[in-house]
Amino acid sequence: NFMLTQPRSVSESPGKTVTISCTGSSRTFASNYVQWYQQRPGSAPTTVIYEDNQRPSGVPDRFSGSIDSSSNSASLTISGLKTEDEADYYCQSYDSSNLNWVFGGGTKLTVL
Amino acid sequence: QITLKESGPTLVKPTQTLTLTCTFSGFSLSTSGVGVGWIRQPPGKALEWLALIYWDDDKRYSPSLKSRLTITKDTSKNQVVLTMTNMDPVDTATYYCAHRRSSRVGVDWFDPWGQGTLVTVSS
Repeated sequence: NFMLTQPRSVSESPGKTVTISCTGSSRTFASNYVQWYQQRPGSAPTTVIYEDNQRPSGVPDRFSGSIDSSSNSASLTISGLKTEDEADYYCQSYDSSNLNWVFGGGTKLTVL
Repeated sequence: QITLKESGPTLVKPTQTLTLTCTFSGFSLSTSGVGVGWIRQPPGKALEWLALIYWDDDKRYSPSLKSRLTITKDTSKNQVVLTMTNMDPVDTATYYCAHRRSSRVGVDWFDPWGQGTLVTVSS
């Protein structure tokens, strides 16, 4: 089964840039695009990146997404960190071979 | 504006069947391409996709839970119902329903989500 692996936690200071990785198992992201969700404590997830690198309206351009096919990984980069960015971040992809949706294990971002 | 809201019991006993209802507005499940999914999150743990139903009544289930899940829709009521049989304490989680989005083939995600409902499984 297709799986997505994320680091459990990352931390960085306000104003800095942080990158969260998401590594796919056994298949590439070539035909399986990646989305990223932000989940603040006590709230439902919201989309910050879809289709690898697209930002929904209302998401600041401090958030960006990218794919590295050579390492079979996706990345979420947040620049100019703010304390309000402190949240859990999940990557997600659609496994078109098995027709199901897959989430990564989530990364807790601490901004301190 | 699309909104979704989950409803159902907050407490179920082991071996019982859980029935959750997702009531939505701002879209129709009779429109081509539309889908509604269920995702759960145990306390302090990651998101797990459970099931999804499409506008044409096609259904998808998580392979690991397929034998326990049933998803149905009532288009006239704007509702989607998820049933999960043989509940166990490990099924304690916040259960979310969400609107399925797709920008093109291979791009499939959930947005927006309902607020979620916490279901505790305990005797």
